[in-house]
Amino acid sequence: DIQMTQSPSSLSASVGDRVTITCRASQGIGNDLGWYQQKPGKAPKRLIYDAYTLQTGVPSRFSGRESGTEFTLTISSLQPEDFATYYCLQYNSFPHTFGGGTKVEI
Amino acid sequence: EVQLVESGGGLEQPGGSLRLSCAASGFTFSHSAMTWVRQAPGKGLEWVSLISASGGSAYYAESVKGRFTISRDSSKNTLFLQMNSLRAEDTAIYYCARDIQHSYWGQGTLVTISS
Repeated sequence: DIQMTQSPSSLSASVGDRVTITCRASQGIGNDLGWYQQKPGKAPKRLIYDAYTLQTGVPSRFSGRESGTEFTLTISSLQPEDFATYYCLQYNSFPHTFGGGTKVEI
Repeated sequence: EVQLVESGGGLEQPGGSLRLSCAASGFTFSHSAMTWVRQAPGKGLEWVSLISASGGSAYYAESVKGRFTISRDSSKNTLFLQMNSLRAEDTAIYYCARDIQHSYWGQGTLVTISS
């Protein structure tokens, strides 16, 4: 199975900060990676697919990047509504696997 | 508008069975693979199972293989998850999601396994 190592597991940030979250795959997955945002008590919401393609309607302050087996989600200027938990997901091979999550807190 | 509505969760005893449903609308259900993902209380997301658009292929996490069965009824735009031999560690919110990239998610249904 492909392991997705996500870091950090949590971070504290302020409104306006630039935030970067990383997922490392244990083997090559091409660009078959998505990023999801989850707020407390809510279902996850897709932000990015295929490593860097922004979901329609998602603000452009979110971006994704791929470098080999390392994937990053960057929020260029953190907004109050961005405080949430973020997950990566590889869908290159079965079983699909999520990263452990990153909780972004004030 | 894409809508996914899960149902069928509840309290069940260890060793029991439950059948979850996910009613889909707003897209061509028969053209989309569908997925189940779960989240134990206070924990992260765990991929559970995927069924192909045709229903001809199904894939499972090792933790549920042999106990859970995914299926679909495209005439009713509904996805199912039959869960047998339930264990305490199956306690979670179960979400259905559209396609291999999990583009849309339902709101989830809570499954609690306890005696």
